[in-house]
Amino acid sequence: DAGITQSPRHKVTETGTPVTLRCHQTENHRYMYWYRQDPGHGLRLIHYSYGVKDTDKGEVSDGYSVSRSKTEDFLLTLESATSSQTSVYFCAISELGIGELFFGEGSRLTVL
Amino acid sequence: DQQVKQNSPSLSVQEGRISILNCDYTNSMFDYFLWYKKYPAEGPTFLISISSIKDKNEDGRFTVFLNKSAKHLSLHIVPSQPGDSAVYFCAASVPNTNAGKSTFGDGTTLTVKP
Repeated sequence: DAGITQSPRHKVTETGTPVTLRCHQTENHRYMYWYRQDPGHGLRLIHYSYGVKDTDKGEVSDGYSVSRSKTEDFLLTLESATSSQTSVYFCAISELGIGELFFGEGSRLTVL
Repeated sequence: DQQVKQNSPSLSVQEGRISILNCDYTNSMFDYFLWYKKYPAEGPTFLISISSIKDKNEDGRFTVFLNKSAKHLSLHIVPSQPGDSAVYFCAASVPNTNAGKSTFGDGTTLTVKP
């Protein structure tokens, strides 16, 4: 299995608070992604990174920011959490940016 | 506009029979297609893929068929086993673009009954 660790795995927070989710990989893959999964919407791309300090927006990036200061870590930040951001968040990695993605186990976020 | 669609939210089959999961896409630029399987409380795992230069790819009990003219692909599982019960996501990507981002369908929940 690809070495991907997401933390925290579960978090409950209140509207308006900042939240940071961390994705850590031990595979030295160049590409990293954050997806969210919601009922009826499948997996939607939030942000992705194609190298250290190189990031770009996905299809549902509003309200989220990311940072990648090291190859192994990709952080997803909700500056001010809203109830619509209640979701399961998956980090994924790819060595070449083509082909299959390797996913972490997910982080379940509940915003009250 | 959803570019990758899995029109069947759920599918139930008997153990030993064939499972057929379908996926349609609208973007003719998609060049590479993948299927992922997801168990509850776990991340999706890659199952099988197909390039647009092929119309079939087989891996053990799993076969993916691609019909480019119809913009349709399907995943066949033969024979189906109870352990195949999971959510299956279809995904499509445009290679040679930045990071080869994948677009996912909404998923189909497969239940294989013993």
